[in-house]
Amino acid sequence: NAGVTQTPKFQVLKTGQSMTLQCAQDMNHEYMSWYRQDPGMGLRLIHYSVGAGITDQGEVPNGYNVSRSTTEDFPLRLLSAAPSQTSVYFCASSPGNVGYTFGSGTRLTVV
Amino acid sequence: AQRVTQPEKLLSVFKGAPVELKCNYSYSGSPELFWYVQYSRQRLQLLLRHISRESIKGFTADLNKGETSFHLKKPFAQEEDSAMYYCARNTGFQKLVFGTGTRLLVSP
Repeated sequence: NAGVTQTPKFQVLKTGQSMTLQCAQDMNHEYMSWYRQDPGMGLRLIHYSVGAGITDQGEVPNGYNVSRSTTEDFPLRLLSAAPSQTSVYFCASSPGNVGYTFGSGTRLTVV
Repeated sequence: AQRVTQPEKLLSVFKGAPVELKCNYSYSGSPELFWYVQYSRQRLQLLLRHISRESIKGFTADLNKGETSFHLKKPFAQEEDSAMYYCARNTGFQKLVFGTGTRLLVSP
């Protein structure tokens, strides 16, 4: 069991570039989420999914897209990177009511 | 507002001292609450769920609906407890709202 796997671990983007942060889980969890972690602000929900084919916005969705074509994968797309998107991004999955298993994070810097 | 408040950014104690990390939530119903821990530059790990009433690594947390609190406690802190602690509430469909976190520093 690999758990929740995120790639890449580090990324530097130029303003305006796009990219996809990958997230995969092998635990057959229905629920998956993307959070960003910023100093002094805790973790904030970007997008979440309650199952394959179903996604919805969280607290800070602007500038990000997601899709959930399979149970295992939940990629996060940055459409046009901005310095305000410099953050640490965490993907997480849950079978429901037992809390989330988090990935190791992606540290993104937008210059 | 669906809010989780952790009033202390930093809590510094000596090894062997008791620890209480505060968490308050804004919700009038029966909440589903969690404590997560993040050791330096590592992923978040689930520490406690209030519904399981378990004790992990010597930590406990009791839900107080009257005070809308879910404080995390440990009677004798250890140096390896130094980490960032986050309180979180499930607002439905496993959407977690996190507090801003408390950094616990345990000195020898």
